[in-house]
Amino acid sequence: EDQVTQSPEALRLQEGESSSLNCSYTVSGLRGLFWYRQDPGKGPEFLFTLYSAGEEKEKERLKATLTKKESFLHITAPKPEDSATYLCAVITSGTYKYIFGTGTRLKVLA
Amino acid sequence: EPEVTQTPSHQVTQMGQEVILRCVPISNHLYFYWYRQILGQKVEFLVSFYNNEISEKSEIFDDQFSVERPDGSNFTLKIRSTKLEDSAMYFCASRGTGFGEQYFGPGTRLTVT
Repeated sequence: EDQVTQSPEALRLQEGESSSLNCSYTVSGLRGLFWYRQDPGKGPEFLFTLYSAGEEKEKERLKATLTKKESFLHITAPKPEDSATYLCAVITSGTYKYIFGTGTRLKVLA
Repeated sequence: EPEVTQTPSHQVTQMGQEVILRCVPISNHLYFYWYRQILGQKVEFLVSFYNNEISEKSEIFDDQFSVERPDGSNFTLKIRSTKLEDSAMYFCASRGTGFGEQYFGPGTRLTVT
């Protein structure tokens, strides 16, 4: 069965303290891996798409990387406004079904 | 900036009643989705819709659920006979040609009493 697992479940950082969030996946064939940000009571907001191992994408303080088994979302010098839940999702070969992980709740303290 | 809109923002209904959740996707998008998120749990895929037909659905999307694109702008999710366990946030999403760039609406919170 295709699965997406995110760790840690929750993370508290001081402002400026860099860290990484992990998304590991077990799928029959990866078509794409996606990162989203979700604020409380709102819909997920698209951040990145990664298609193949070795690929990297960057946006402001965020950088996403992909290997054959997992993806990392690196947060460099985070600010309080980066506090949110970060979701990872995959699409497997032959489907249009997005499988989401349970997310990492990030809290950045000023 | 174009956005996906959903109405209502909150719907309260009694068990056994029918509800229709409405969405207006981004105008030039071709692929449409419904997801649900039970409080504190992960986002779950319900159904994808393309070219006026369902392209894929999950095990959750049983005969109680249906989707429709009644005109060129709206996309609806109908739950025929609501159950207590249908209480959740329902998100509509749409995308153009890029797989990952789904744009989500703000959600409809459905409460079944």
